[in-house]
Amino acid sequence: DIQLTQSPSSLSASVGDRVTVTCRATQGLSNYFAWYQQKPGKVPKLLIYAASTLQSGVPSRFSGTGSGTDFTLTISSLQPEDVATYYCQQYNSVPLTFGGGTKVEIK
Amino acid sequence: EGQLVESGGGLVQPGGSLKLSCAASGFMFSGSGIHWVRQASGKGLEWVGRIRSKGKNYATGYAESVKGRFTVSRDDSENTAYLQMDSLKTEDSAVYYCTRYDDTATISGLDYWGRGTLVTVSS
Repeated sequence: DIQLTQSPSSLSASVGDRVTVTCRATQGLSNYFAWYQQKPGKVPKLLIYAASTLQSGVPSRFSGTGSGTDFTLTISSLQPEDVATYYCQQYNSVPLTFGGGTKVEIK
Repeated sequence: EGQLVESGGGLVQPGGSLKLSCAASGFMFSGSGIHWVRQASGKGLEWVGRIRSKGKNYATGYAESVKGRFTVSRDDSENTAYLQMDSLKTEDSAVYYCTRYDDTATISGLDYWGRGTLVTVSS
């Protein structure tokens, strides 16, 4: 099974800050890799798929990069509505797996 | 806009069974893979299993933690997917989400999610 390790597990940043979340896989992936946002008490939402493709309707301050075993989610200018837990996911092979999550808060 | 609605959750004793349903609307169900993802209280997301579309031979796959106990199925005529859960354990207690993957796309993500249904396994 492919394991995904996200870091950090939590972070606190100021409005307007650039925020970066990383995800490392135990095996090399193709670009079957996604990022999800889950706001408190809400359903997960697809942000980015294919490692770097922004899902329709997602603000352009979100971006994804990476390949192989290392992937990154960047929020270019953190907004109050971005308070959430972010999960990475690989769908390169079954079983699909999620990272442990990164909780993003406003300082 | 696609919509998924889960039902069938509830309280069940350890060793018992439960069957969840996922009713879809607003998108081409027959061309979609349906995944089940669960989330225990205060914990992260855990992928449970999936069934692909007819075009992908209805291929199924499961997490190791549920393999042999859970079965995913679908009825394209009813636009509904199912998760049959047998030999339930206390650690299966979670909110269960169904979500879809567009099997007709070159590549996609899990783009539509239901609101989830709560399963509690307890004596």
